[in-house]
Amino acid sequence: KAGVTQTPRYLIKTRGQQVTLSCSPISGHRSVSWYQQTPGQGLQFLFEYFSETQRNKGNFPGRFSGRQFSNSRSEMNVSTLELGDSALYLCASSDRVSGNTIYFGEGSWLTVV
Amino acid sequence: GEDVEQSLFLSVREGDSSVINCTYTDSSSTYLYWYKQEPGAGLQLLTYIFSNMDMKQDQRLTVLLNKKDKHLSLRIADTQTGDSAIYFCAESITGGFKTIFGAGTRLFVKA
Repeated sequence: KAGVTQTPRYLIKTRGQQVTLSCSPISGHRSVSWYQQTPGQGLQFLFEYFSETQRNKGNFPGRFSGRQFSNSRSEMNVSTLELGDSALYLCASSDRVSGNTIYFGEGSWLTVV
Repeated sequence: GEDVEQSLFLSVREGDSSVINCTYTDSSSTYLYWYKQEPGAGLQLLTYIFSNMDMKQDQRLTVLLNKKDKHLSLRIADTQTGDSAIYFCAESITGGFKTIFGAGTRLFVKA
């Protein structure tokens, strides 16, 4: 069974631009969650989608948004990028059956210059 | 409230045992997890324990859960240099399908 796949792995953007990151969950998993990881703040929960609906949301500004498609694939978007958005963005999927055991992708490294 | 705390660093010698500790606050947590993150990679699920268990052993890994004190530990026997990584403790909140992570413990293994 393939794991969680995230694209792109690395990208560089300029302040003020917007970015879209993509995540394909493990086959059969309908829950996708997104985390931001930075050296200073650790692992911060962004949001979780289940069956195309946002179920949980962390404390991030409205510039951070996401969506989930009917095939459970998810995208997250960050608009008006700031230097502080530079981070590793991790996607995780779950079947929501065994508690909320989540499995992570390798992440997308975003650098904002 | 929901919070998971871990010490930030641990240094051990190769061949020794490592013990990484974690405390959590939500008494309704159903599952508690340990994840490992190697440089430049995502988080890899190492093991998890259901909240009605006290202990779980998986090869070199032993997880101990003290539910009364809300304390979780991960023991790595015969620690190897390949075990050098960041280890994250996490709890799954009942009903909310939300997983809360600690800040991670960076394990250094000295040869």
